[in-house]
Amino acid sequence: AQSVTQPDIHITVSEGASLELRCNYSYGATPYLFWYVQSPGQGLQLLLKYFSGDTLVQGIKGFEAEFKRSQSSFNLRKPSVHWSDAAEYFCAVHNQAGTALIFGKGTTLSVSS
Amino acid sequence: NAGVTQTPKFQVLKTGQSMTLQCAQDMNHEYMSWYRQDPGMGLRLIHYSVGAGITDQGEVPNGYNVSRSTTEDFPLRLLSAAPSQTSVYFCASSYSQEAYEQYFGPGTRLTVT
Repeated sequence: AQSVTQPDIHITVSEGASLELRCNYSYGATPYLFWYVQSPGQGLQLLLKYFSGDTLVQGIKGFEAEFKRSQSSFNLRKPSVHWSDAAEYFCAVHNQAGTALIFGKGTTLSVSS
Repeated sequence: NAGVTQTPKFQVLKTGQSMTLQCAQDMNHEYMSWYRQDPGMGLRLIHYSVGAGITDQGEVPNGYNVSRSTTEDFPLRLLSAAPSQTSVYFCASSYSQEAYEQYFGPGTRLTVT
C-alpha cells in the first residue's frame, strides 16, 4: 500500500537559514508527489507538485523539491527561511487508483529570530 | 472565484445529534473530497466524489454520509455525532476526475461533547 513518512515532527530554523524537510514515500510505480503548507487556522495550500520530467521542481514562495527515485524521497527545500514560513508542511502522494491523496503526518516548522 | 467554501467554520454538537457540513466550489471541478485532520495523524480521507451522482468511501467513512447532486456541492452528514468525530474537517476539489492537484477549503472545526 502507498504511504508517506515525514520523519521530523517539529523543526526549528533560524530566520535566514536554509531549510530541508524530509519526505519518504512508498509507491509501486512513478508517483505523483505534492507538498502542501498549512498556516495556523487555515486550509492547505499547494506549494509544488511532481508528476514527471525534471526531478527538481520549483514551487511558490521560493520553495523547491527534489524527487529521488533511488531513495524514494521528495524533500522540500528553501535557501533562506522567513518568519512567515512558520507553518505545518505536509507531503502527499496519490494512490494508484488516482482517487485519493495519502498524506504524511506533517512537519511543524518554527522560525526563530 | 470564491474557490472552495465551507460552512460553518465552527460547530459544537452534543453526542447523538446530527448535522451537515456544507462544501461548495465554483471552479466546475469534477472531483471533490472530505478529509478529517487530527493532531499527529495528518489528513485522512472520509469520502470522495468523481462527479455528480458518484460517491465512494475513503479511509475513514464510518459515521458519515455524503451525496453529490450537483457539480458544485458536496455536503458531509454526521448521522449521530460521537466524541471521536471531534476534528477539523476539510473539503477539497480537483479539476480532473482524479485526486491530483487539490484545492482545499478553510475547514470546519467540530467539537462533539
